[in-house]
Amino acid sequence: ETGVTQSPTHLIKTRGQQVTLRCSSQSGHNTVSWYQQALGQGPQFIFQYYREEENGRGNFPPRFSGLQFPNYSSELNVNALELDDSALYLCASKSGTPLEGTQYFGPGTRLTVL
Amino acid sequence: DAKTTQPTSMDCAEGRAANLPCNHSTISGNEYVYWYRQIHSQGPQYIIHGLKNNETNEMASLIITEDRKSSTLILPHATLRDTAVYYCIVRGLYSSASKIIFGSGTRLSIRP
Repeated sequence: ETGVTQSPTHLIKTRGQQVTLRCSSQSGHNTVSWYQQALGQGPQFIFQYYREEENGRGNFPPRFSGLQFPNYSSELNVNALELDDSALYLCASKSGTPLEGTQYFGPGTRLTVL
Repeated sequence: DAKTTQPTSMDCAEGRAANLPCNHSTISGNEYVYWYRQIHSQGPQYIIHGLKNNETNEMASLIITEDRKSSTLILPHATLRDTAVYYCIVRGLYSSASKIIFGSGTRLSIRP
C-alpha cells in the first residue's frame, strides 16, 4: 500500500458528459501527477500539479483539466467525454521538487464511457 | 529521457530467480534506471531504482552494467504473486516535470 487513494473505484458515464476523479496523495507528498492507461497499453502522462499549479502536461486536449488543493489532494476533470476516454486513470504522488524523487501510484479509477 | 527495450514476455518457475533484462543504450550520465511493476488492473508499484551501482532492497536487486547501457532486475525467489507487467524506465534527475514515460514492459508469468 502506497498511501495514495483514489475515488471512485469504478465509474460509468455516457458520451458528452463530464467526470471528476479524485486523488489523495501520500502523507508528506506535495506533487501529484495523473496518467491515463488504455487497455493493453502503458500509462500515459496527462499532467502534474505542484503547489496548486499545473507543472508539466502531456499530449492531452484542454478538456482534461485538474486542480490541486492546499492539502495536496487533487482532482482530474474531463469534459465532453468521448468513447476513447475509457481507461484506467492513475494518480501518483511524490515529495520534493517537481523534478526529483520517486512517484508512488494509487490503485486507479476505471472509467467506462458508453 | 532515454528509451528502453524489454522483451515482451518471459516466464519463470516458482521459487527460482526471475531475471528481467532491459536495454537503455542511449542513457546519459544523469539518468536513473527505475523499475515498476503492474499487477492486473492495479496501479504501478515502485520496485527499485539506481544510477551506477547495483542496488538491493526487500523486493529485488538491480544490476546495472558498467557502461550503463543495460540492466537486469532480479526477483530472487519468484512467487505466483510476482506475475505482472514489469516496466523499465530511464528518467533524468532533472527531467521536465516528473513524468514517467512507460513503454510496453515485460509480461512476467510465474508457473507453479
